[in-house]
This record gives sequence, structure tokens and C-alpha cells, in this order.
Amino acid sequence: QSALTQPASVSGSPGQSITISCTGTSSDVGGYNYVSWYQQYPDKAPKLMIYDVSHRPSGVSNRFSGSKSGNTASLTISGLQAEDEADYYCNSYTSSTTWVFGGGTRLTVL
Amino acid sequence: QVHLVESGGGVVQPGTSLRLSCAASGFIFRNYGMYWVRQAPGKGLEWVAVIWHDGGKKYYVDSVEGRFTVSRDNPRNTVYLQMNSLRVEDTAVYYCARWGDYSPNGGVFDSWGQGTLVTVSS
Repeated sequence: QSALTQPASVSGSPGQSITISCTGTSSDVGGYNYVSWYQQYPDKAPKLMIYDVSHRPSGVSNRFSGSKSGNTASLTISGLQAEDEADYYCNSYTSSTTWVFGGGTRLTVL
Repeated sequence: QVHLVESGGGVVQPGTSLRLSCAASGFIFRNYGMYWVRQAPGKGLEWVAVIWHDGGKKYYVDSVEGRFTVSRDNPRNTVYLQMNSLRVEDTAVYYCARWGDYSPNGGVFDSWGQGTLVTVSS
């Protein structure tokens, strides 16, 4: 049950695109298409942004997209906006019928 | 509208117990699995436990296995987390979250409460 690996921080200018990676193993990210992504503002509860690798819940901007290759999943945010500045966490179902989060990535909009 | 409200947090000494509650409304509670997720101060999210919609299956992160117990009372629309033998490292904001419809097989945390703070300190 080791945490998935995410970069501690990423940054980008308004209008640019950024990608956050999330690396696991064949027992979690690589073994299932059950990766989800969450956005969290300081002192707020997380919000679901992407589920099942690449699907957006209703109400989430289409500027957010997800993908996966092997043991690594990715979240891409295009057309960066100031309101996107937040912490982002990936999550995966695992072969042990447990779930595991990534360590989190702080996105800074320059 | 889905509404989850956690309660029961507080300051306790190491080795003691605490029971958290999460009251649900706005959806048919008995049809949904529920999760507990925690976040230590300044740290990331950690999945803690899950309970199936009917309470028939429960799973835990290794670090709480044998100390924490998740349960639910469907008629009361409430899920619980009984925490025993608490340790300093259990200090965190504890969130309950719903297993959303979006991913019935893989699980997804589609709605979250506001969290309740548990501080374990001597």
C-alpha cells in the first residue's frame, strides 16, 4: 500500500497547459482503469475531477483530461486559469481491494 | 443534493478510543458504499477504510487494520469509524466520502464531507 508517486509541484502561466503524472505499479495504476483525480483548495474537501482514467463528471470543465500509459496516469489541464491553482491528487483501486492516493501535487499558476 | 456531515473528532491521548460519525442525506444511503479518508496536517490524502452498501464487506489500510472498525446503520443514514489504540500518527482531518455511481466497480469518491479533526497527543 505504498502511495502513488506524483511530482510535488508544477507550475504554468495562464493559458498554458500542464500535465501531472501519477506513477504506481501493475497492482494498481497499471492493472486497472480505475484511476481518479481530485482537486483540493486549502482547508476544503477534495473534489472529483476525473474518474476511470479519462472520464469527467458532469460539471467539470473540459479543460481537464486524463490518460494512462502502463503504470503511469496523467492529468492534463489546458488553458490554465488562476482558479486552477490548487493541490491535485490521483487515486487508484488496487489488487488488494483497497485504494491508494498519490502524494499530491501543488499547482501554481504564475 | 448529497450532504455528508462528519462529527466526533477531538483531542485524545495516545492509546485511547474515539468514534467518528458521518450523517448522510440527499441520496438513498443504503445503496452506496462509503469511505473514510484522512489527511494529516499539511500532508496528503490517505485512504483509510471502505464499507460496502450493505455492510457485507469492509477493507482497511494496513496501518489501521485491527485498530479501526468501519460500520454503518442504514436506517439512520450514518456510517461510523471506531478508532481504538490511537497513535500520534493518527492525527488528521477525517473525511467520509461516498462511493459514487460513476465507477461502480472501481470505486470513486464522488462526494465528501467537510471533515472532522482528530488530534492524538499526550
